Amino acid sequence: GQQLNQSPQSMFIQEGEDVSMNCTSSSIFNTWLWYKQDPGEGPVLLIALYKAGELTSNGRLTAQFGITRKDSFLNISASIPSDVGIYFCAGPILGTQGGSEKLVFGKGTKLTVNP
Amino acid sequence: DVKVTQSSRYLVKRTGEKVFLECVQDMDHENMFWYRQDPGLGLRLIYFSYDVKMKEKGDIPEGYSVSREKKERFSLILESASTNQTSMYLCASRTWGVAGGNEQFFGPGTRLTVL
Repeated sequence: GQQLNQSPQSMFIQEGEDVSMNCTSSSIFNTWLWYKQDPGEGPVLLIALYKAGELTSNGRLTAQFGITRKDSFLNISASIPSDVGIYFCAGPILGTQGGSEKLVFGKGTKLTVNP
Repeated sequence: DVKVTQSSRYLVKRTGEKVFLECVQDMDHENMFWYRQDPGLGLRLIYFSYDVKMKEKGDIPEGYSVSREKKERFSLILESASTNQTSMYLCASRTWGVAGGNEQFFGPGTRLTVL
């Protein structure tokens, strides 16, 4: 099935550093989603992207929808300890039944921020 | 705010037991999903439901079944729990037909341990 390749798998950074992660696919997506999962919690949507080339910010987070529609990037500026967690990219694909749709997720980037 | 609740945060069961994981959403969403999350494997879709009494297998349905008798409730059933089903289980929901509305909203997760 369709897969999203997310990298890096993990990052260890110092507080204040900028972070960059990306997600690529062999297939075209019409939507890219970025989620964050805090330890012990469910993922929460950070940013949704709907147009190729779109650049969207949410506070210190910026995400871009790649122009080829096969990739997306998430950047975090000036990291702080509460940025710790797992970041997932996701994109929608059709299910096998008419009208059904599901998300395919990358395997996640685990971020550790040292104070 | 969308609220997705799961019946238990932590659950311990014995091998061979029948296990029910319940998920309820309060936003009248048509679609609901069950995932399991394991270290290094990301989120894997078990089953999803795109309407009441409608279901579709995800990527790893073996050993699981689901029930959706009411729109707001989606149950995951482990007919005979096994140790390899020890995992974090996440429920999600989303609406359908809203332009740009692919986002799934997640519950807090149930950490299931099968002894």
